[in-house]
Amino acid sequence: DGGITQSPKYLFRKEGQNVTLSCEQNLNHDAMYWYRQDPGQGLRLIYYSHIVNDFQKGDIAEGYSVSREKKESFPLTVTSAQKNPTAFYLCASSKQGGAYASYEQYFGPGTRLTVT
Amino acid sequence: DAKTTQPPSMDCAEGRAANLPCNHSTISGNEYVYWYRQIHSQGPQYIIHGLKNNETNEMASLIITEDRKSSTLILPHATLRDTAVYYCIVRPYNNNDMRFGAGTRLTVKP
Repeated sequence: DGGITQSPKYLFRKEGQNVTLSCEQNLNHDAMYWYRQDPGQGLRLIYYSHIVNDFQKGDIAEGYSVSREKKESFPLTVTSAQKNPTAFYLCASSKQGGAYASYEQYFGPGTRLTVT
Repeated sequence: DAKTTQPPSMDCAEGRAANLPCNHSTISGNEYVYWYRQIHSQGPQYIIHGLKNNETNEMASLIITEDRKSSTLILPHATLRDTAVYYCIVRPYNNNDMRFGAGTRLTVKP
């Protein structure tokens, strides 16, 4: 089955530790995204990547880092600099849009991170 | 990206049509209207999108006004499994990045 996988589903860490969230897709999509969702809120864009070895900051990139060494993978590291890391993290991917082309994003099941 | 305005919550009776409105009065000519939904604690699911014509697929219909300043998502026969938060998003055709608002929480009642 084609899709996006995120692991683990639940993650617990102590304050001050860096943690890396996994996101893998086998849809052959060029573009990948990371979002954060807090309770009762919409999604906020952290980072995105339209092509391998290139990525851009979204609206709330501070305290996060990413890499895009392979087309299939876009891991997100939540660093100790992120003040409020406890949240639901969602990864998505899509075809790369072009002139007059618009494509939907497909989302993974999410990782719920709790930092205490 | 153009901002959207949606009611925070709506109720619908099971089996009836659910009509979810979205206002996007500042939409520009190169921006699509997208709808997603998110069932509790899951990743958002794509529903439908359109530019200026009305669109229909197996999940829903999208009605966009002629001036494109508002749209309505229609679930023709709502079921209990349609209870979710529905997001209306506008974005340029050549830009994959999306900005999600708070959406509309639709509750389908028996």
